[in-house]
Amino acid sequence: SYELTQPSSLSVSPGQTARVTCSGDVLAKKYGRWFQQKPGQAPVLLIYKDTKRPSGIPERFSGSSSGTTVTLTINGAQAEDEADYYCYSAADNTVIFGGGTKLTVL
Amino acid sequence: QVQLVESGGGVVQPGRSLRLSCAASGFTFSIYNMHWVRQAPGKGLEWVAVIWSDGTVEDYADSVKGRLSVSRDNSKNTVYLQLNSLRAEDTAVYYCVVASDALDMWGQGTMVTVSP
Repeated sequence: SYELTQPSSLSVSPGQTARVTCSGDVLAKKYGRWFQQKPGQAPVLLIYKDTKRPSGIPERFSGSSSGTTVTLTINGAQAEDEADYYCYSAADNTVIFGGGTKLTVL
Repeated sequence: QVQLVESGGGVVQPGRSLRLSCAASGFTFSIYNMHWVRQAPGKGLEWVAVIWSDGTVEDYADSVKGRLSVSRDNSKNTVYLQLNSLRAEDTAVYYCVVASDALDMWGQGTMVTVSP
């Protein structure tokens, strides 16, 4: 079965760039996605098809892909970006999730 | 407006049943496989079930196999999740999800609490 691995936590200062990585064999053949989740709220899709940003998502959020790793980059992180970030992919009739990265902006 | 709206959650006693619904709008529901995903309080995401676009194939996580059943009605643009023999560990927010190469979408979720 597939697995996705991401760091459990990351801390940046306001205005800095945050990069969250997600690695797994499935990403070599399937798209990676990212969503943001704040406490008590539903997931908000940030990135799909490795690099595409849905309408309404700020441009400071971007995605990239290389081999078996996808990366979410937040350029100029803001206090409001403090949240949990999850990567996921879809393959073989299932959806595979990373364990989530808690981003602290302080 | 393109959206998924779940409903049917609530508080239920162990061993009882519940049926969740997910109503789709704003896109061609009948061509997409639909997934159910859940998130226990304070935990990560767990894939639960999938049903193919035409309803011919279902698949389930081992943790729920035999107790949960997914179905869909393409004429009503709705997918369902029947939860039977509920246990405390089924307590979670349940989301319906589209995760295809052509479309990615999440509903807002519906909370299921299994408690005596």
